[in-house]
Amino acid sequence: EVHLLESGGGLVQPGESLRLSCAASGFTFSTYAMSWVRQAPGKGLEWVSGISGSGGSTYYADSVKGRFTISRDNPKNTLYLQMNSLRAEDTAVYYCAKGGCPSTSCYGDSWGQGTLVAVSS
Amino acid sequence: QLVLTQSPSASASLGASVKLTCTLSSGHSSYAIAWHQQQPEKGPRFLMNLNSDGSHTKGDGIPDRFSGSSSGAERYLTISSLQSEDEADYYCQTWDTGPWVFGGGTKLTVL
Repeated sequence: EVHLLESGGGLVQPGESLRLSCAASGFTFSTYAMSWVRQAPGKGLEWVSGISGSGGSTYYADSVKGRFTISRDNPKNTLYLQMNSLRAEDTAVYYCAKGGCPSTSCYGDSWGQGTLVAVSS
Repeated sequence: QLVLTQSPSASASLGASVKLTCTLSSGHSSYAIAWHQQQPEKGPRFLMNLNSDGSHTKGDGIPDRFSGSSSGAERYLTISSLQSEDEADYYCQTWDTGPWVFGGGTKLTVL
């Protein structure tokens, strides 16, 4: 059974940094692309960033490009999201999602339970 | 630009059927999508991926009450024999070279 467990969320001030982690189990981690998706309070799902199974290809939403960095450690079965220069509008629950394919050009087929990031002074 | 359009809300009675719609933007009618369910205060759950020809593959443990179909640029999720736990937000998702795209979601109320 696929299991995704996010951690690293919390309350930070504008301009600060945070690193999210997603520990994966139940599947061959290096085979599948992974993504981060966020949901602001009372809003819909917003894709943030994706990374291919090998880690060789990464993609970002325009809203986070240049501030966020996605990475993965395949031997440790862990996905990361380094978030710098955080803004109030980055406040959301951040979900880790597994893709159904090695590339990010695919559907998401498993989700974590999410971790809350709150940016406020 | 790749865009998915969903009605904000839908409602149906307990035990009835409901058909939710996700519409692909012009020029993207051949794209496959996925349907995800988000129950209140929970994370999303993958329901199925749905191809332009209507073929679909459901996630593990998804009941037979959930089915998908396609017509042109429209992608449908049909839920039959509605139960109270089906009250949730339903999102469609597609993808381009890299980025994922989500529809705005449909809030389903079970009366």
